[in-house]
Amino acid sequence: GAGVSQSPRYKVAKRGQDVALRCDPISGHVSLFWYQQALGQGPEFLTYFQNEAQLDKSGLPSDRFFAERPEGSVSTLKIQRTQQEDSAVYLCASSLGIFPGYEQYFGPGTRLTVT
Amino acid sequence: DAKTTQPTSMDCAEGRAANLPCNHSTISGNEYVYWYRQIHSQGPQYIIHGLKNNETNEMASLIITEDRKSSTLILPHATLRDTAVYYCIVRVAESKLVFGAGTILRVKS
Repeated sequence: GAGVSQSPRYKVAKRGQDVALRCDPISGHVSLFWYQQALGQGPEFLTYFQNEAQLDKSGLPSDRFFAERPEGSVSTLKIQRTQQEDSAVYLCASSLGIFPGYEQYFGPGTRLTVT
Repeated sequence: DAKTTQPTSMDCAEGRAANLPCNHSTISGNEYVYWYRQIHSQGPQYIIHGLKNNETNEMASLIITEDRKSSTLILPHATLRDTAVYYCIVRVAESKLVFGAGTILRVKS
């Protein structure tokens, strides 16, 4: 069956530009997560949705980062006025519900390069 | 979340069992042990999880010590496709996963 998909797979932005990264979770999954992975490091949590409600955004690094999931399915991560330190792979994951018992399924990620 | 300690890297011969250790000495009673792996340029993939009993699925086995301060992930017959970064994560039943640096497993022919 279809897994988590993300688009675009690669994005190059000039410093100061706004970007929008899309995540299509597995159909029926109520929980959706965003992670940021810098080169050579493990993923770091950004934010979490249960349906359309954003229940945890403690990992968002600054107010330039904004995520939404208005209808409880597709989610968009927006980064305003991109900086070079925003260069990373942005991973989306979805699950049927809260742990335990429900593993998170990850998408392939969007590699963002800010020049 | 409890911290985990894993070796930076390990090598394993193809066809042999790969045993990946993880120390989590500060784990609390309601924290689970999860294992994920990440193959180059892909998103992390769930492998297995457990609370205190040993667990086995089609991918691997998870052995948790009786005091729960450490665990071992076992890939019974490693193949070249098992070359990846393996993450051991301990967490309560809440939302986020907290990844460490993981163990780079290299399976060699």
